[in-house]
Amino acid sequence: QKEVEQNSGPLSVPEGAIASLNCTYSDRGSQSFFWYRQYSGKSPELIMFIYSNGDKEDGRFTAQLNKASQYVSLLIRDSQPSDSATYLCALTPAGGGNKLTFGTGTQLKVEL
Amino acid sequence: GAVVSQHPSRVICKSGTSVKIECRSLDFQATTMFWYRQFPKQSLMLMATSNEGSKATYEQGVEKDKFLINHASLTLSTLTVTSAHPEDSSFYICSASTTGGIYGYTFGSGTRLTVV
Repeated sequence: QKEVEQNSGPLSVPEGAIASLNCTYSDRGSQSFFWYRQYSGKSPELIMFIYSNGDKEDGRFTAQLNKASQYVSLLIRDSQPSDSATYLCALTPAGGGNKLTFGTGTQLKVEL
Repeated sequence: GAVVSQHPSRVICKSGTSVKIECRSLDFQATTMFWYRQFPKQSLMLMATSNEGSKATYEQGVEKDKFLINHASLTLSTLTVTSAHPEDSSFYICSASTTGGIYGYTFGSGTRLTVV
């Protein structure tokens, strides 16, 4: 089982809709969770981080963490074509210090 | 905010030659930087942890003699790909944090290496 799993997509949503991106992880002791956005040919940029169970909102983005079920998700409200990118889920494993482990990413396409 | 500068953005080299990639933290000091490699359609794979003033820590399967890392100052880490081969062609990205990673890491712009 991979440490961090994401559906590769592509996930297609119409403009203005809510995009829901999911990530599951195998290490129950994982501490910190991050969502990065990566445009084609570019390096990742941080969108959000979450440590505690529940929801965390930042503008159009909401991260949701459920440690009991070992999943973290990212909701994007009012999706825009500029949101089309690959979204990477990352975490710091238990005992892994500050190293990040990345999922393979989900490609999101927001269609006009 | 934290800015990480990476240079060069693209490099093409001949097989058998060496290439040096620089990663600089512009507005903060970074005792630790990370080097990743990303092949097309794949995720980022951590290659090594660069520690200022000490030897880098390499991930399993990464050849330390082939990928030389030097972190001589608090603002500069370099990755040298020695005796490059076509299979080393990839997107190399560094990252650093002002907060030890608590609030996430900032990535450099990446270096696209093509070995011909």
